[in-house]
Amino acid sequence: ETGVTQTPRHLVMGMTNKKSLKCEQHLGHNAMYWYKQSAKKPLELMFVYSLEERVENNSVPSRFSPECPNSSHLFLHLHTLQPEDSALYLCASSQSGAGIGAGELFFGEGSRLTVL
Amino acid sequence: SQQGEEDPQALSIQEGENATMNCSYKTSINNLQWYRQNSGRGLVHLILIRSNEREKHSGRLRVTLDTSKKSSSLLITASRAADTASYFCATGSDYKLSFGAGTTVTVRA
Repeated sequence: ETGVTQTPRHLVMGMTNKKSLKCEQHLGHNAMYWYKQSAKKPLELMFVYSLEERVENNSVPSRFSPECPNSSHLFLHLHTLQPEDSALYLCASSQSGAGIGAGELFFGEGSRLTVL
Repeated sequence: SQQGEEDPQALSIQEGENATMNCSYKTSINNLQWYRQNSGRGLVHLILIRSNEREKHSGRLRVTLDTSKKSSSLLITASRAADTASYFCATGSDYKLSFGAGTTVTVRA
C-alpha cells in the first residue's frame, strides 16, 4: 500500500466511449502526475499538477483531459481514444520543491486501459 | 531531455548471484533515483542519490553516481527470486522525473 489509489484497475472501452480514470493520494503531497507506460518504451510523463495548478503538459493529445479538483485527487478524462492509447496509466504523487530536485514518487498500481 | 537510459535491457542471473545495471543520462541533475516494478504493478521507489553523493547503500542495494560521466549503477547483492522485476532509473529537477525503458531482471531459482 503506497498511499496512492487508482481506479479502475482495468478498463476496456470502445473508440467512441467517454470514461475517466481516478487517482487519490493520502500522503499530503503537493504534486500529482500522470504517466503512460507502453510495452518496451520508457514511461511517458503526460501531466503534472503542482499545488493544483497544471505545470506540465507534454504535448498530449486533447483526447486526454486531466482534472485536479484538489491536492488529493487527480482525474484523467478519456474520449474518442485510439487503439494505440492502450497502455498502463500510472498516477503518482510527491512532495517536491524548486531547487531540491524531484522528490520520491509514490505510484499507484495503475489502470490498465484497452481501447478496442 | 534528462531521460535516463538503462543498460542492459535484460539480465538473467542465478539466485545468490549479484546483479548490476547501469544508467546514463544527458544533462545535469539534482538527484537520481532508482525504482522497481513488478509485472503489471506500479513502480516502487528504491533509493535516491543526490548529485553531491558518490555512493549510497540500502540493505542489499548499492548505488553509485559519477556526475562527471553522467552515469549511475545499481548493484543488487545476493539476489533472490523476489528480486525478479524491472528496474528504472529516473532523473530530473524540481517537480519532474523522467524515466528510461528499464532493465528487466530475472532471478532463476
